[in-house]
Amino acid sequence: GDSVTQMEGPVTLSEEAFLTINCTYTATGYPSLFWYVQYPGEGLQLLLKATKADDKGSNKGFEATYRKETTSFHLEKGSVQVSDSAVYFCALGGGSNYKLTFGKGTLLTVNP
Amino acid sequence: GAGVSQSPSNKVTEKGKDVELRCDPISGHTALYWYRQSLGQGLEFLIYFQGNSAPDKSGLPSDRFSAERTGGSVSTLTIQRTQQEDSAVYLCASSSTGTGFSNQPQHFGDGTRLSIL
Repeated sequence: GDSVTQMEGPVTLSEEAFLTINCTYTATGYPSLFWYVQYPGEGLQLLLKATKADDKGSNKGFEATYRKETTSFHLEKGSVQVSDSAVYFCALGGGSNYKLTFGKGTLLTVNP
Repeated sequence: GAGVSQSPSNKVTEKGKDVELRCDPISGHTALYWYRQSLGQGLEFLIYFQGNSAPDKSGLPSDRFSAERTGGSVSTLTIQRTQQEDSAVYLCASSSTGTGFSNQPQHFGDGTRLSIL
């Protein structure tokens, strides 16, 4: 079945540091890939998505590129802020699979 | 607001009681999903609705769990004879349909935090 593996946290960074959160997947067919973010006390929010190989999703300074050859969708940001502190979830879905399959989440804490 | 609305935001109940959780999706979204978020299991899919029909109930953990959707809008997730292992955050999401609907992002509510004493 489909699965998503993302790096386990917690990840602690200083403000303005570079962020990478690794995500790899296994899937049948041609899924879409998503990053969702969950801020403390809030629900999941879509951060970015990519629907086919080599697509780059971007939002709020975050980027991720759909790499079919390495089955990866790593999340990056060049300079994190304290307000980026949250739990980040990598997910796949789409194609014949309408439901989302999530990774276990990565807690990011950014210190001033 | 225009987002997915869930109620109640928090629910505490005694073991053995029944609970109902409500989800009001984004207007016009015909697809609706329920997920469960718990510490040990992460985010798990429970059930998917397309309109009022539920083509996939495969994630419901036992026959104590059921869900319905009426008028292609509001959905209710019911847990009967609650157990302590049912304690979790229950998340609802909705998405639009159309060409390539399966690539439409799902929009989540803030969830209902359920605690079973």
